[in-house]
Amino acid sequence: DAGVIQSPRHEVTEMGQEVTLRCKPISGHDYLFWYRQTMMRGLELLIYFNNNVPIDDSGMPEDRFSAKMPNASFSTLKIQPSEPRDSAVYFCASSSTVPIPGFFDTGELFFGEGSRLTVL
Amino acid sequence: DQQVKQNSPSLSVQEGRISILNCDYTNSMFDYFLWYKKYPAEGPTFLISISSIKDKNEDGRFTVFLNKSAKHLSLHIVPSQPGDSAVYFCAAWRDGNQFYFGTGTSLTVIP
Repeated sequence: DAGVIQSPRHEVTEMGQEVTLRCKPISGHDYLFWYRQTMMRGLELLIYFNNNVPIDDSGMPEDRFSAKMPNASFSTLKIQPSEPRDSAVYFCASSSTVPIPGFFDTGELFFGEGSRLTVL
Repeated sequence: DQQVKQNSPSLSVQEGRISILNCDYTNSMFDYFLWYKKYPAEGPTFLISISSIKDKNEDGRFTVFLNKSAKHLSLHIVPSQPGDSAVYFCAAWRDGNQFYFGTGTSLTVIP
């Protein structure tokens, strides 16, 4: 069974260029999350969707970042224009539910392998 | 502000001994906690979880302990194996909210 698929795995671009990261969640998962990994803040949530609808985008650093989920099997994270400080590993994750103590004992996120972005 | 903190960036343990990874949180409303393991160039994978209504959960060599009064949880790995060498992330969930992750602890198990 395929896991969460992200592309590209590596992206090197120059400052000012547009970057688009892609994610295909696990089929049947209703929740999709975009995270950014940095040394200072660990895994930082950027945005998450429930049934293709953005629920919380408060983690999106600024207007240069945007995310879409046009259907249940595809999401994009776009940075325009990109800056060197955007260099990081971006993870997409999906889940079938959220934790409900007493009812579910998992609710865990399934992560993709990440997209390593380097902005020169 | 970081709501989930892992104050030890790294930890080294001899093979066969116990590894103890610690995590502190600030929000008493968190009601679910998870540990993830991450190898280089891979995404994090779920390891073990615990609900706020429990104080211990065990799965094989892995046990998570929750001390709600201290807002502290820990992951114990016994016995530690070289394959356990990875970065471990602690995460917390609050109903109607999101997963909050710590900054990670890099565990090295020395053969």
